Amino acid sequence: IAGITQAPTSQILAAGRRMTLRCTQDMRHNAMYWYRQDLGLGLRLIHYSNTAGTTGKGEVPDGYSVSRANTDDFPLTLASAVPSQTSVYFCASSDGQHNSPLHFGNGTRLTVT
Amino acid sequence: GQNIDQPTEMTATEGAIVQINCTYQTSGFNGLFWYQQHAGEAPTFLSYNVLDGLEEKGRFSSFLSRSKGYSYLLLKELQMKDSASYLCAVLDSNYQLIWGAGTKLIIKP
Repeated sequence: IAGITQAPTSQILAAGRRMTLRCTQDMRHNAMYWYRQDLGLGLRLIHYSNTAGTTGKGEVPDGYSVSRANTDDFPLTLASAVPSQTSVYFCASSDGQHNSPLHFGNGTRLTVT
Repeated sequence: GQNIDQPTEMTATEGAIVQINCTYQTSGFNGLFWYQQHAGEAPTFLSYNVLDGLEEKGRFSSFLSRSKGYSYLLLKELQMKDSASYLCAVLDSNYQLIWGAGTKLIIKP
C-alpha cells in the first residue's frame, strides 16, 4: 500500500540521548516535511526538503537535523534530546506543487524524560 | 504576525449540520486547506480553496472569502465517525503553510 511509513511509533528517551526518527515514502514525491504537533498549537514545521539532496529549515529547527540522500527517505535526528522536544512528530510528503495536499505518516510519539 | 483562528471545540448531534469557522491573518494568500485528524492518527486532506465561493464534496463543503480572511467547513448529515479534529491551514505569500490549532468536533447520538 502506497504511503508514508514512520518508525518508531512511540519512544521514551532520556534527556541528552541521540535519536533518529525514520520516515520512508513510496509515492516518489519530491517534497518531504517534518512537523511537530503539540496540544493547543498548530502543526509546526521543523525541516523540509524540496527534492533529494536539498534541505531547508522550518519554523522550529533548533535541536533537529535532517538529511535527504534519496527520494524515499527523510530521517530526523535529535542530537541531544531535551524535555521540550516531547511531542508527536509527523512526516509528510507532497508532489511539490503548491496546491497539492500533504500526505502524512502515522506519527511518532516521543517522550523525553 | 501570522495567525489562524479556529474554535477549540464544538459539539453537534448525529444527523445534524455543523459549520467550523476559520479566520486568518497572513502575509499574503495562496490557498487554504482543510484536514481531518482522528485522535491518535495522521491528518488527512479534505479540501483546498483558492478562489472565493463554496466547494462541495459529498457531505463536506468548504467556503472561502478572501476579502474577509474567512473560511468555513460545513459537514452535513453528521455521523459518529466525523468525530475528529479539523485543521485549517493557509499558504502564505512565500508558499509556507500556516496551521491553525484545530477544532475538536464531538458528535453526540
